[in-house]
Amino acid sequence: EVQLEASGGGLVQPGGSLGLSCAASGFTVSGNYMTWVRQAPGKGLEWVSVIYSGGGTTYYADSVKGRFTISRDNSKNTLYLQMDSLRAEDTAVYYCAGGAKYYFEYWGQGVLVTVSS
Amino acid sequence: EIVLTQFPGTLSLSPGERATLSCRASQSVSSNYLAWYQQKPGQAPRLLIYGASSRATGIPDRFSGSGSGTDFTLTISRLEPEDFAVYYCQQYGSSPKYTFGQGTKLEIK
Repeated sequence: EVQLEASGGGLVQPGGSLGLSCAASGFTVSGNYMTWVRQAPGKGLEWVSVIYSGGGTTYYADSVKGRFTISRDNSKNTLYLQMDSLRAEDTAVYYCAGGAKYYFEYWGQGVLVTVSS
Repeated sequence: EIVLTQFPGTLSLSPGERATLSCRASQSVSSNYLAWYQQKPGQAPRLLIYGASSRATGIPDRFSGSGSGTDFTLTISRLEPEDFAVYYCQQYGSSPKYTFGQGTKLEIK
């Protein structure tokens, strides 16, 4: 059974940093396309970043480019999202997801990130 | 950037009825790159349909997807109580890599 367990959410001040983790089981992070998707309170889904299988090419939404960094640790089978220069508009539930290149088959439970003073 | 517009925004139907949800793209989308998700309150989204018409593992056959080019449809043939949720379409593109529609809320009439 595939499980994605996200952690690391919390309250952070504007301009601060926070790191999210997503530990996978029954599933190889390096062998799949892994992504972060967020959902602001009461809003729809917004894609944030993806890291491709194999070589690990990365892409970002314009709204987070230059501030967020996606990475993975193959030895720990874990996906990460380092979030710097956080803004109020980054407040959201962050989901890790993965699977095929064109769609997201497996999802974690989501972690809440709140950016507020 | 390809924009996905879903309509209606809210659909009110009764159990047993047929639901038709639409997703229109601002530019042509390869059918291989169009997916549908279901999200219930407090839960992560769940993949329903990929490649515009292929059901994901474990998805009941009352869910079906169709369409091509700029117009795609998710049909639920006979609504069950557990089908009332928010539905999103999603496409894979060039920049940004992935976009979602704004969602259709399917509510009990």
